Amino acid sequence: QSALTQPASVSGSPGQSITISCTGTSSDVGGYHYVSWYQQHPGKAPKLMIYDVTNRPSGVSNRFSGSKSANTASLTISGLQAEDEAYYYCSSYRSSSTLVVFGGGTQLTVL
Amino acid sequence: QVQLEESGGGVVQPGRSLRLSCAASGFTFSNYAIYWVRQAPGKGLEWVAVISYDGTNKYYGDSVKGRFTISRDNSKNTLNLQVNSLRAEDTAVYHCAKETQQWGLYYAMDVWGQGTTVTVSS
Repeated sequence: QSALTQPASVSGSPGQSITISCTGTSSDVGGYHYVSWYQQHPGKAPKLMIYDVTNRPSGVSNRFSGSKSANTASLTISGLQAEDEAYYYCSSYRSSSTLVVFGGGTQLTVL
Repeated sequence: QVQLEESGGGVVQPGRSLRLSCAASGFTFSNYAIYWVRQAPGKGLEWVAVISYDGTNKYYGDSVKGRFTISRDNSKNTLNLQVNSLRAEDTAVYHCAKETQQWGLYYAMDVWGQGTTVTVSS
């Protein structure tokens, strides 16, 4: 069982917006600003899309945005494009012996 | 170009050991913490270990604590992971990944290697 809870799959049509949730506890997502999101295409290494809840690394499209409310973080992708089809993982700092925890991953399908 | 390249994976019997390496280039390696993250076949990402920029602080995931050892050689821009007492559940692709910001731990990884595959099987 993954430490952070994500939906197994989400889907949307080109041009639409989708949101992927990531639910943790007050010991991780809810308690700290260290939430990140990664995109992974099959057979490829993960790519950082969002860090510190809302920050986008240089080169990442502004169609990707992050937010957090209580113990749930969210990744929103607007103006869906075919190349957005991938797996998305959230991660967070956790105040325990396990410093970093990941979500189980969400498969995004662009219809 | 900022790059990380892992090596050292292979097929190994349960209980045996391996030494994984990660060669860094294109950035000041000695200024950044580095992580190991693994991904079992068809599964999600799992944090394995992290080492501070100067090697003084090391942290491990619960599933590998006591069996894996992370180290770094800043003079050679190299990260290592000694993996001992391997189990079937350690079978995975092992990625090294760079911390986003210098000096500290911010728990985000902005550059990843392609990974090296470890298969534990008798």
